Amino acid sequence: QVQLVESGGGVVQTGGSLRLSCAASGFTFNTYGMYWVRQAPGKGLDWVAVISYDGDNKYYPDSVKGRFTISRDNSKNTLYLQMNSLRAEDTGVYYCAKDGEQQLVPPNGGMDVWGQGTTVTVSS
Amino acid sequence: SYELTQPPSVSVSPGQTARITCSGDGLSNHYAYWYQQKPGQAPVLVIHKDSERPSGIPERFSGSSSGTIVMLTINGVQAEDEADYYCQSADIGGRSYVFGSGTKVTVL
Repeated sequence: QVQLVESGGGVVQTGGSLRLSCAASGFTFNTYGMYWVRQAPGKGLDWVAVISYDGDNKYYPDSVKGRFTISRDNSKNTLYLQMNSLRAEDTGVYYCAKDGEQQLVPPNGGMDVWGQGTTVTVSS
Repeated sequence: SYELTQPPSVSVSPGQTARITCSGDGLSNHYAYWYQQKPGQAPVLVIHKDSERPSGIPERFSGSSSGTIVMLTINGVQAEDEADYYCQSADIGGRSYVFGSGTKVTVL
């Protein structure tokens, strides 16, 4: 079955770095765009980054641009999120999600499969 | 990018119909998607491309679109439908993606 499993979350100090991973299985990973979405405690969903199926196109909201980097290794069926210069407001659960359609650039097929999330806590 | 506006809460009795609206200027140009999220769980896609129901989603969930407003309808609400519901769309020109603030559906 289609599955996404995130890892790499933890507690980090303000200004620190963390790298999240998302292991994919059950589908042809290299034909789908992928997303990172986060959720602060008690708050709503917030898009963080997106990458096209081939890794050539990456987009970010202003809130993380220049600090976060999304990447993928299609040979390992794995998505990554490198987070630098972390702030308290980056605290939350980070989900990876799969685009609903193949090979869209930019991805725009909705998020049809989600991982269970990994928790990031940024403390001072 | 633009914003998506949802009501904070909707209350409905079992067996009745719940309707959740989502409004935003970009919805006239881009598809909307709806996600259900129960406490402590990841979101689940319940409607894609405004009105299509993914495999495995009960028929009581439906979506519609009119101009800059989209709607999620849950017919014959069941206790298990109590959850937060989020609409989502994209601003492709701006290469950004936006979620509504979420609507908490309470089954009385």
